[in-house]
Amino acid sequence: GQQLNQSPQSMFIQEGEDVSMNCTSSSIFNTWLWYKQDPGEGPVLLIALYKAGELTSNGRLTAQFGITRKDSFLNISASIPSDVGIYFCAGLNAGNMLTFGGGTRLMVKP
Amino acid sequence: SAVISQKPSRDICQRGTSLTIQCQVDSQVTMMFWYRQQPGQSLTLIATANQGSEATYESGFVIDKFPISRPNLTFSTLTVSNMSPEDSSIYLCSVEGGADHISYEQYFGPGTRLTVT
Repeated sequence: GQQLNQSPQSMFIQEGEDVSMNCTSSSIFNTWLWYKQDPGEGPVLLIALYKAGELTSNGRLTAQFGITRKDSFLNISASIPSDVGIYFCAGLNAGNMLTFGGGTRLMVKP
Repeated sequence: SAVISQKPSRDICQRGTSLTIQCQVDSQVTMMFWYRQQPGQSLTLIATANQGSEATYESGFVIDKFPISRPNLTFSTLTVSNMSPEDSSIYLCSVEGGADHISYEQYFGPGTRLTVT
């Protein structure tokens, strides 16, 4: 089946630093979604990307849909302690099935 | 986005028993999904629950183990049958589109944390 390779698996950064994470796949996706999951909660949708090359921002978050439709990245600028959590990418294929990446665990040191 | 609730939020069950998890949405949605998230892992789709038809199961998941009901456009249940410790996971329901009916975006409930002893 389809697989999404998400990296890095974890990051431990200083408050105020910028963060970058990405997902790659051998398959093409029509939609890329980025989620954040806090402990004990369900994933919360951060950004949705629908077109190859699309660059979308949501506050300090910026995500891009790769030109090849096989990759996407998420950047977080000026990180703060509440950014701590697990970030998941997810790709939607032509069959409307959502495939999740392995997640990036973000830890922020005040 | 749609507001999704799940019951129970968590449970501890004995092996061999079954647990039914409920998912309620505050608006009518066509597509509802059930996912499993094993400890420290990502999300894996169990099945798609469509109103008025049988659920569609992904590879590795079968109806006898995970029967699903979808009696209307705002509600679904997932049963975890004949549980074993390997079934200990977070079970999440999600809906596509949400209250604003923007398709392709999936919104998740808070999850049900199941521990099987």
